Order: sequence, then structure tokens, then C-alpha cells
Amino acid sequence: GAGVSQSPRYKVAKRGQDVALRCDPISGHVSLFWYQQALGQGPEFLTYFQNEAQLDKSGLPSDRFFAERPEGSVSTLKIQRTQQEDSAVYLCASSSHLAGGQFFYNEQFFGPGTRLTVL
Amino acid sequence: ELKVEQNPLFLSMQEGKNYTIYCNYSTTSDRLYWYRQDPGKSLESLFVLLSNGAVKQEGRLMASLDTKARLSTLHITAAVHDLSATYFCAVDIYGNKLVFGAGTILRVKS
Repeated sequence: GAGVSQSPRYKVAKRGQDVALRCDPISGHVSLFWYQQALGQGPEFLTYFQNEAQLDKSGLPSDRFFAERPEGSVSTLKIQRTQQEDSAVYLCASSSHLAGGQFFYNEQFFGPGTRLTVL
Repeated sequence: ELKVEQNPLFLSMQEGKNYTIYCNYSTTSDRLYWYRQDPGKSLESLFVLLSNGAVKQEGRLMASLDTKARLSTLHITAAVHDLSATYFCAVDIYGNKLVFGAGTILRVKS
């Protein structure tokens, strides 16, 4: 079946421009995550949705970052007034909750990412 | 705040040699993941470790978890060029987000 898809794959923005990044999760996955990966670093958590509810946005670096998932499927990460420090790869991941007593876990499947370059 | 540390950050290996990547984390957790990332690509799930003493093996890679020591290891046996990639460990403590290490860049030389 299809995996997580993201678009665009590459985005170049001028400083101050607004951008919108799209994520299509695996069909039926209730959880959706956004991560930011700077060059040479590990991914860092931005925000998390369960269905349409945004349950954790503690990783969003500023109020210029906004994410939504209005129908509990596709999600959009919007960055307003982009700055050079926003340049990074933005990864989306989805998961279906798998519960099994002590073996509960929530394996995340990642999309290909959107590489954002702010000039 | 949970911190996840990997070492080494860069590893250059000869083909056929063995080596181990270490992942230490600062808060109690019994869910740890290993991912592989090729240049310009996304993250590929390698292992999910769910309990103390868990050991999983796939081909030349073997991962283990010691929750008491807050340590996971990724052991590479008889390295081959195809294993060249960046390897990340990630810890899940709330079931809703992952905290990643900085990654280990592995280069296998002929």
C-alpha cells in the first residue's frame, strides 16, 4: 500500500514569504507527527495530531509555525514570514495505535520530507 | 527533559569488520527505535525494542535494549558497503513523540 507522502519535495522561499507543506498519511492512521531535521542533525519533534485534534504542539519553535489537520487525514504545516533559520527538512510521520498490554507502542512511518530553503 | 546521546557520531569501518553503535538516554523508557537514513532519503524503521533485555536481529544488524542502564546498542557484524548510511536511535516515552539522537554516520570502506 501507499506510504506517507509529502509535497512539495523541495521548496525555495524568499525570507519573509509564507509557505505551506502538505502531508498525506497512510490511510487509516490516526496519529500524525511533524518533525524538523536540520542539516546533520536528528529530527526534532514539532507537533502531534490524533485524528483532527492537535494534542501536542510543544515543539513548534515560534508562533510563525502553525499546523492543522481539519478532517483527521491530510495535514498542512504552515510557516509564516519565513526566516533563514527555518531552512531544514520537514518530515511527516503517521502511525496507527497498536496496543498489546505491556507491548503497547506507536511505531511511526515517515514520509520522504520537504526540503525547505529560505534565501 | 529527555536527552538521547549516540556515539560515535561518525564511524568509518572496513568491510568485514564488526562494530557497535551506542545509544544512551536520560529518562526511563521501555520503547526504543532504530532508524536508517540514506542521503536525501527519509527514515526507514529497522528495529522496535519494547522491553528490558529485548534483542532483535536482521541480517548483519542486531539491536538490544537495557532499560536499567538506559542503553541500547546496534551491533554490526561483518560490515558490507550497503550498510553505509546514517543510523538514528529514538526514544518514545509518552507514546506520542520520538526524541532522536544526533545520528551515527556509518561509512564502510572496501
